[in-house]
Amino acid sequence: ETGVTQTPRHLVMGMTNKKSLKCEQHLGHNAMYWYKQSAKKPLELMFVYSLEERVENNSVPSRFSPECPNSSHLFLHLHTLQPEDSALYLCASSRTTAAGTDTQYFGPGTRLTVL
Amino acid sequence: AQKVTQAQTEISVVEKEDVTLDCVYETRDTTYYLFWYKQPPSGELVFLIRRNSFDEQNEISGRYSWNFQKSTSSFNFTITASQVVDSAVYFCALIGGSQGNLIFGKGTKLSVKP
Repeated sequence: ETGVTQTPRHLVMGMTNKKSLKCEQHLGHNAMYWYKQSAKKPLELMFVYSLEERVENNSVPSRFSPECPNSSHLFLHLHTLQPEDSALYLCASSRTTAAGTDTQYFGPGTRLTVL
Repeated sequence: AQKVTQAQTEISVVEKEDVTLDCVYETRDTTYYLFWYKQPPSGELVFLIRRNSFDEQNEISGRYSWNFQKSTSSFNFTITASQVVDSAVYFCALIGGSQGNLIFGKGTKLSVKP
């Protein structure tokens, strides 16, 4: 596989469920990102990891818990979500976090619906 | 504060028409980077172009061209002879400085009818 892959592509969960989103990059990059894309709103950066260390957490509720076990994999663990958390969750990677010079490449996203 | 404004929410054209997507940005950084991404219905954001603030030369890539004007803080994107496959949501984005985060506009949904 090439590029950035995300699984699952679609997820429906109840508010009491626990689920995880997975992202994998095959580009040899050292930085990975989670974004949230809601209807009618700009993409929102949630988390940034550089060399497996979290470098940014943009005031995201604790019901979202990221994990980066190595530079190729990024997870987003979900628990007790709210219906307003329904959105497209996009993963991205870049060579470094020098985002101006290192372009971010995105995966296809996970469409999450919280009932 | 940094901001990207894409005033056109939706545009509909007929195949072979030219179309321009507008992008206006705000930043106080003297060094900044501008981007365009395409998001087809499949959901993946596809990188189209990156331009730094010191390079105002316009760029052409096939049917795509970009017009960067610092005087008006604009980075507009033109598709010449549009095709149905160009139908997507297009996002303009900005990074202020070299370590900042990508700030996205709300996107412009382009529909190209046959």
